Amino acid sequence: AQSVTQLGSHVSVSEGALVLLRCNYSSSVPPYLFWYVQYPNQGLQLLLKYTTGATLVKGINGFEAEFKKSETSFHLTKPSAHMSDAAEYFCAVSDGIAGGTSYGKLTFGQGTILTVHP
Amino acid sequence: EAGVAQSPRYKIIEKRQSVAFWCNPISGHATLYWYQQILGQGPKLLIQFQNNGVVDDSQLPKDRFSAERLKGVDSTLKIQPAKLEDSAVYLCASSLDPGTVYGYTFGSGTRLTVV
Repeated sequence: AQSVTQLGSHVSVSEGALVLLRCNYSSSVPPYLFWYVQYPNQGLQLLLKYTTGATLVKGINGFEAEFKKSETSFHLTKPSAHMSDAAEYFCAVSDGIAGGTSYGKLTFGQGTILTVHP
Repeated sequence: EAGVAQSPRYKIIEKRQSVAFWCNPISGHATLYWYQQILGQGPKLLIQFQNNGVVDDSQLPKDRFSAERLKGVDSTLKIQPAKLEDSAVYLCASSLDPGTVYGYTFGSGTRLTVV
C-alpha cells in the first residue's frame, strides 16, 4: 500500500520568503509523485509531477520539487513567496508501473495550508 | 480544451435522502475517477473506471454508494441513503493515460452538505 505524509498542516511565511512544504511517501514500487494546489471552492490544479528522469522537477508559478529516493521525500519549494500562493497544497503518490494495482490511483497526503503575510 | 464538468456545484440534503452527482470528462479520456474529500483531509479515491468498466472500487461504501459510466463517457455517482459523514466535496477526474506528464484533470467538485 502507498501512503503520503505531509509534515505540517499549516505553514506561514512572509511575502518574499522561501516556501518549503514537506512530503514523505511510502511505496513498494517506483512511484509517480505529484504536487497539487487547491484554492478555496476550487478543484485541484497540478503544480508539478515526477515520473522518471531528472529528479529536480520544475512546475508552474515558480515552484519546484526534488525527488530523493534515499529519503523517500518530495519536498516542494519556491524561492520567494507571493500573496497569491496562499492556498492548500497536496502531495500525492501513484504506482509508477503500468498495469500495477495502483496505476493511475492517486493517494493524497492530508494537505498543508500555506499562509503568506505581507 | 474543455475541462472536466461536474454538477451540481453545491447540494444540501437531509440525512437518509438520496443524491446524485454528474461528471462529464474531457473528450477522449478513457479513465474516470471519483474522489471524496472530507474537510481537512486529502481526497480519497472512491472508484476508478476504464472506459465503462470498473477498475477499482475497493474504497466505495457499496451499501449506500453506487456509480456508473454508461457508454464510457459521462458518469453518475449516487448516495442512497445519505449519512451525516457523507458531507464532503466529491471530485471527478479524468485522464487519457495516467502516465503522461499531465495525465490528470480534476473538475471543480460538488460540495455536499448532509444535515
